[in-house]
Amino acid sequence: DTGVSQNPRHKITKRGQNVTFRCDPISEHNRLYWYRQTLGQGPEFLTYFQNEAQLEKSRLLSDRFSAERPKGSFSTLEIQRTEQGDSAMYLCASRSYRAPYEQYFGPGTRLTVT
Amino acid sequence: AQTVTQSQPEMSVQEAETVTLSCTYDTSESNYYLFWYKQPPSRQMILVIRQEAYKQQNATENRFSVNFQKAAKSFSLKISDSQLGDTAMYFCACLDLWNTDKLIFGTGTRLQVFP
Repeated sequence: DTGVSQNPRHKITKRGQNVTFRCDPISEHNRLYWYRQTLGQGPEFLTYFQNEAQLEKSRLLSDRFSAERPKGSFSTLEIQRTEQGDSAMYLCASRSYRAPYEQYFGPGTRLTVT
Repeated sequence: AQTVTQSQPEMSVQEAETVTLSCTYDTSESNYYLFWYKQPPSRQMILVIRQEAYKQQNATENRFSVNFQKAAKSFSLKISDSQLGDTAMYFCACLDLWNTDKLIFGTGTRLQVFP
């Protein structure tokens, strides 16, 4: 069990550029979640997957955001045409069907849009 | 919709002392879970303690315990024998497992433990 990993850990980009983040969940975990955390706030839910199916998306997830989990393993979160308001920590979490109440978090990807 | 409120942006405590962090929540659901998560500086979020709403007994995990008052929708965290390693942001969170399966977090309390 190597834990949830996220790459990159830090990303600095210019406004208008596209960025993609990757999350590798704990291997047997079937559910995967994305959250966004801005400075001084708690994480806010963005979306989650059960295996490869995206089951729910927050209204926070504008059309510029897209998430995939193509084979039910790792997931990617892409932000197109980044804006300064997208600057935040993007957190990934996963859980097993055996322990539905326990989400394990990754270290996050800190995005800075200049 | 569920909401979680943490009214203490910052707290401090001396090493070996006890500190209590407050949290109130609102939900229309009868079955839910409550959590305290710890987020150390530049490190990932880890689960500290969990409470099932249907259980009347307060959860405890070593030096960490909760005071769960369901009618008042209050869920406070008590840290006993505080250690320097307890310095972190602490987030209270609520999970409605059967409807939405997403954690709703409060804004956090920054806890500083002084030697």
